[in-house]
Amino acid sequence: GENVEQHPSTLSVQEGDSAVIKCTYSDSASNYFPWYKQELGKRPQLIIDIRSNVGEKKDQRIAVTLNKTAKHFSLHITETQPEDSAVYFCAASSGSGNTGKLIFGQGTTLQVKP
Amino acid sequence: EPEVTQTPSHQVTQMGQEVILRCVPISNHLYFYWYRQILGQKVEFLVSFYNNEISEKSEIFDDQFSVERPDGSNFTLKIRSTKLEDSAMYFCASSEMGLANEKLFFGSGTQLSVL
Repeated sequence: GENVEQHPSTLSVQEGDSAVIKCTYSDSASNYFPWYKQELGKRPQLIIDIRSNVGEKKDQRIAVTLNKTAKHFSLHITETQPEDSAVYFCAASSGSGNTGKLIFGQGTTLQVKP
Repeated sequence: EPEVTQTPSHQVTQMGQEVILRCVPISNHLYFYWYRQILGQKVEFLVSFYNNEISEKSEIFDDQFSVERPDGSNFTLKIRSTKLEDSAMYFCASSEMGLANEKLFFGSGTQLSVL
């Protein structure tokens, strides 16, 4: 079935350093790849997304890259800050038609040390 | 900014009891979803709903689960006879045009505890 693998499961960086989280997906029909940030006990918040017709997208300190051939996509956070500490989930769209669904990765707990 | 709202935020129930989780999607959205997240695990798809019918459901969404849009604003998830393993955070989500064209917005969740 559809699957999304996410690595690493935990990531600890010093404030100001960069953080990279990687995901691979199995459904070759996936065409939408969002990233969510989840703070403890709160809802997943969309931070950036990319569709399959582009290879890279950037929004201030956050960027996402997509390699459709290899079926992997990555989240890059530069100049990390303590408030970036959270669990980050990647996801890939799956299913037919407009409705679709998201298949989530296992999550990465990012800790940014001051 | 419009938000998906969910009630209650916490629900405690005894095993075997029925629970109804309520959601109010963003008003101009047409596609509705339920996801769940067991503590410390990933978010899992349960069901999608469009045009007053289920579009897709996962293996988790068995005969004990049902969804309904009873009026023009609410979207509910019912679990008929809760089991211990149903304990999780349940997230409602909605989208204006479906994932082919639009983003998914999540509610703040209902933490369900089955004792």
